[in-house]
Amino acid sequence: KAGVTQTPRYLIKTRGQQVTLSCSPISGHRSVSWYQQTPGQGLQFLFEYFSETQRNKGNFPGRFSGRQFSNSRSEMNVSTLELGDSALYLCASSPKSGNTEAFFGQGTRLTVV
Amino acid sequence: SQQGEEDPQALSIQEGENATMNCSYKTSINNLQWYRQNSGRGLVHLILIRSNEREKHSGRLRVTLDTSKKSSSLLITASRAADTASYFCATANTGTASKLTFGTGTRLQVTL
Repeated sequence: KAGVTQTPRYLIKTRGQQVTLSCSPISGHRSVSWYQQTPGQGLQFLFEYFSETQRNKGNFPGRFSGRQFSNSRSEMNVSTLELGDSALYLCASSPKSGNTEAFFGQGTRLTVV
Repeated sequence: SQQGEEDPQALSIQEGENATMNCSYKTSINNLQWYRQNSGRGLVHLILIRSNEREKHSGRLRVTLDTSKKSSSLLITASRAADTASYFCATANTGTASKLTFGTGTRLQVTL
């Protein structure tokens, strides 16, 4: 069974631009969550999607958004990029929403210059 | 914000020794999970322990959970160089179980 696939693996963007990251979950998994990892703040939850609906949201500004498609693939978008958005963005998939282990992708390393 | 604090922040041991990492959290949980991360890559799930369980084993891993103290520990026995990684605890809180709240992590270095 293929694991969680995140694309692209690395990305360099300029302040003010917007970016879209993609995540393909494990086949059959319907829940996709996104996390941001930085040296200063550690791992922080962004949001979770289940059956195309946002189930949970972390404490991030509205510049961070996401969506999930009918095939469970998910995208997250960050608009008006700031230097502080530089981070490793991790996607995790689970067979169901909540109370279960999460399977993480390798992440997308975003650098904002 | 992170709920959990882990200690130690860094741990260096020799191959064959045991490694113990501790995690404390703040609110009621549904379950607590441990993950491993190699060099800023993806997280690998190690073990999940539910709030009504006190101890769980998986291979060389032993996890304990004390909900009265809001703490957990991860023991890796007979460590190998390949165990070198960062280890994170993550809690799934009651009411928002789909959201994992991660601890600060312990960086483990296993030397030959």
